[in-house]
Amino acid sequence: DAGVIQSPRHEVTEMGQEVTLRCKPISGHNSLFWYRQTMMRGLELLIYFNNNVPIDDSGMPEDRFSAKMPNASFSTLKIQPSEPRDSAVYFCASSPTSRRVYSYNEQFFGPGTRLTVL
Amino acid sequence: SQELEQSPQSLIVQEGKNLTINCTSSKTLYGLYWYKQKYGEGLIFLMMLQKGGEEKSHEKITAKLDEKKQQSSLHITASQPSHAGIYLCGADMNRDDKIIFGKGTRLHILP
Repeated sequence: DAGVIQSPRHEVTEMGQEVTLRCKPISGHNSLFWYRQTMMRGLELLIYFNNNVPIDDSGMPEDRFSAKMPNASFSTLKIQPSEPRDSAVYFCASSPTSRRVYSYNEQFFGPGTRLTVL
Repeated sequence: SQELEQSPQSLIVQEGKNLTINCTSSKTLYGLYWYKQKYGEGLIFLMMLQKGGEEKSHEKITAKLDEKKQQSSLHITASQPSHAGIYLCGADMNRDDKIIFGKGTRLHILP
């Protein structure tokens, strides 16, 4: 069974360019999370969806960041325009169900996309 | 301020030695997750603790949650090179879907 799939694995772009990161969650999972990891700030939650609906986007740093989940099997995180300080590893994670239904909520992580903005 | 503090930030131990990593919260925890991350890869779930005083083990890794549910420790017995990586604790602080992660502990095992 395939895990969470992210693409691309590596992205190098120039400042000002648009960047789109893609995620395919595990089939049947209802919740999807986007994280950003840097040495300075660690692993930060950017936004999460439940049943394709954005629930909490308080971690999205600026209006330059946007995320969509058009269906249960696909999500995108877009940065427009990109800046050097956006350089980080971006992770997507999915979980089987909402915490509100069951007592806990194990998240399954993808391999990440390493973004470098020059 | 960081809601979840991990210590130490990095750890170098000789193969075969025991070690402990700590995770301390400023709030009561409704769930505490331990993940391992190999360098350059995603996070792998290790275990999850919910009840005060709870302890779980997986192979040579044991995790405990204190009675007040504000501190957890991860203990590795007889460390091996395969244990090397970054260990992250994550906390459910609001009984919702969000997990707040600590900054991680980088573990190096010397042969």
